[in-house]
Amino acid sequence: EAGVTQSPTHLIKTRGQQATLRCSPISGHTSVYWYQQALGLGLQFLLWYDEGEERNRGNFPPRFSGRQFPNYSSELNVNALELEDSALYLCASSLGGQSQDIQYFGAGTRLSVL
Amino acid sequence: SQQGEEDPQALSIQEGENATMNCSYKTSINNLQWYRQNSGRGLVHLILIRSNEREKHSGRLRVTLDTSKKSSSLLITASRAADTASYFCATDAASSGYSTLTFGKGTMLLVSP
Repeated sequence: EAGVTQSPTHLIKTRGQQATLRCSPISGHTSVYWYQQALGLGLQFLLWYDEGEERNRGNFPPRFSGRQFPNYSSELNVNALELEDSALYLCASSLGGQSQDIQYFGAGTRLSVL
Repeated sequence: SQQGEEDPQALSIQEGENATMNCSYKTSINNLQWYRQNSGRGLVHLILIRSNEREKHSGRLRVTLDTSKKSSSLLITASRAADTASYFCATDAASSGYSTLTFGKGTMLLVSP
């Protein structure tokens, strides 16, 4: 069974550009989560989608947005990129949105903003 | 702000030794989970302990939870070089009803042959 897949693996952008990151959850999982892991800051929760709806949002500006498609895959968009957006972006999926549901992570997309 | 804080930030041991990592958190939780991350890649789930459990085992892993002290520990026994990784604790907020996890900054474990 395929795990959580993320694309692209690496993404290089310049300041002011937009970045789109993609995530395919494990088959049967309806919840998708996005995290940002910047150097020295640990994992910061970004967004949670379940059944196509945004359920929760972390403390990030509105230029971080996303969506979940009918097939439960998800997209994270970052507009007006800033240098400090450079980070590893991790996507996770879980069976549902309960706190005891284990989150399974993808390998991440490393975004570099120049 | 981080809910979980791991301690120590870094740990270096020899193969065969035990490694103990600690995690402290601030608010009431439903569950506490431990994850491992190799070389800045994706996280791998290790173990989940519920707030009404005090200890849990999985292979060479032993996790304890003390809700009165809002702390947890992860013990890896008979460590191997392959255990070299960063280890994170993650908590949910009992009041939120959501599965959103808050991660600590992690403990970097180096196991030397």
